[in-house]
Amino acid sequence: QVQLVESGGRVVQVRPGTSLRISCAAAGFTFSSYGMQWVRQAPGKGLEWVAVIWYDGSKKYYSESVKGRFTVSRDNSKSALYLQMNSLRVEDTAVYYCATSSSTFDLWGRGTLVTVSS
Amino acid sequence: EIVMTQTPLSLSVTPGQPASISCKSSQNLHSAGKTYLYWYLQKPGQSPQLLIYEVSNRFSGVPDRFIGSGSGTDFTLKISRVEAEDVGVYYCGQSIQLPPTFGGGTKVEIK
Repeated sequence: QVQLVESGGRVVQVRPGTSLRISCAAAGFTFSSYGMQWVRQAPGKGLEWVAVIWYDGSKKYYSESVKGRFTVSRDNSKSALYLQMNSLRVEDTAVYYCATSSSTFDLWGRGTLVTVSS
Repeated sequence: EIVMTQTPLSLSVTPGQPASISCKSSQNLHSAGKTYLYWYLQKPGQSPQLLIYEVSNRFSGVPDRFIGSGSGTDFTLKISRVEAEDVGVYYCGQSIQLPPTFGGGTKVEIK
């Protein structure tokens, strides 16, 4: 079955200033052929792009709001995408979706809710 | 960054009637023969899904009642005959320039 599944649970709660890594497992397609991205959605809000990584991991780009704090990576041998989030802030609270970065192959995970709260 | 502005914020549509959503970008989205404008639908409780890519190309499996048009900085998504399954929030987005950005969304509901 073609799918992206974020791991770490559907809901995660952490304290401000702490770190968290969320993962996304791909199945049913050639993961190593596609760029991948993270997109987040704060509760009741719209979509905000977070980061993208090239199919081979050679290039990575970040939104200004997370640059220097978040790191995107991938392991093509495991068909896995990661987002390491450091120095988390209350405003990082959102559902984080992993998704393919391709107009010809659009696939999104179900999302992981990350709540940053003291 | 490129700002995407959608109107209206919400629409209430009778089944079988048409609906139209406007999206304006702060910069031209056309480059090298392509226009990098996309439309997504996020149904209630679901992840976003791609409807239209590069202005007017329907993604695989998208019904032909969804019609994208426009050029440069002005774009429109039309639903020729709204069905109950079309409810949700529609977003336009651009990828011509990093960071990719989205419009604020248009909520479509059924009367």
